[in-house]
Amino acid sequence: NAGVTQTPKFQVLKTGQSMTLQCAQDMNHEYMSWYRQDPGMGLRLIHYSVGAGITDQGEVPNGYNVSRSTTEDFPLRLLSAAPSQTSVYFCASRVENTDTQYFGPGTRLTVL
Amino acid sequence: RKEVEQDPGPFNVPEGATVAFNCTYSNSASQSFFWYRQDCRKEPKLLMSVYSSGNEDGRFTAQLNRASQYISLLIRDSKLSDSATYLCVVIPGNQFYFGTGTSLTVIP
Repeated sequence: NAGVTQTPKFQVLKTGQSMTLQCAQDMNHEYMSWYRQDPGMGLRLIHYSVGAGITDQGEVPNGYNVSRSTTEDFPLRLLSAAPSQTSVYFCASRVENTDTQYFGPGTRLTVL
Repeated sequence: RKEVEQDPGPFNVPEGATVAFNCTYSNSASQSFFWYRQDCRKEPKLLMSVYSSGNEDGRFTAQLNRASQYISLLIRDSKLSDSATYLCVVIPGNQFYFGTGTSLTVIP
């Protein structure tokens, strides 16, 4: 198993550009989440999904969209990048109703 | 009020020392608690769960105090390889809430 994979590892965007961060898992986990990690803020939940076709907002959803068309994939879209979205983004997955969460290696995004 | 509060440190301790981290949480209905470890520029990984009765895994001991709403992590006989950031996690419902992390450096 590859576990949770994320692409790209690094990305630099200009303000106003859009892009999609990719996340995939091969463990057949129903539950997937996107977090951002900023210095002094810890990990904050952006969006999550409890299964294909079902998504919901987390703590900091503004400026981001998600979709879950398959169990494996959970892409995160930045609609119009802003410098405040400079962060490290982690995707995670777990089996629903269990508490062990598996994280991808992260995407380091800089918005200029 | 934040769901989870954690002392960011940093903690710099010599090899062999014992070090303890605390984390407080605000939602008394929280049911699940964890400690994750995060190495520099890497993803967080589960270190251990925290149970009301306390639990131990080798040199690591985690405890939960529901009355005072805090969890703790004790590391005995610190090793250089323990240097990392330790994140506490509280789950009051269906969402994970992470602390900001406590940085530990074990010095030779």
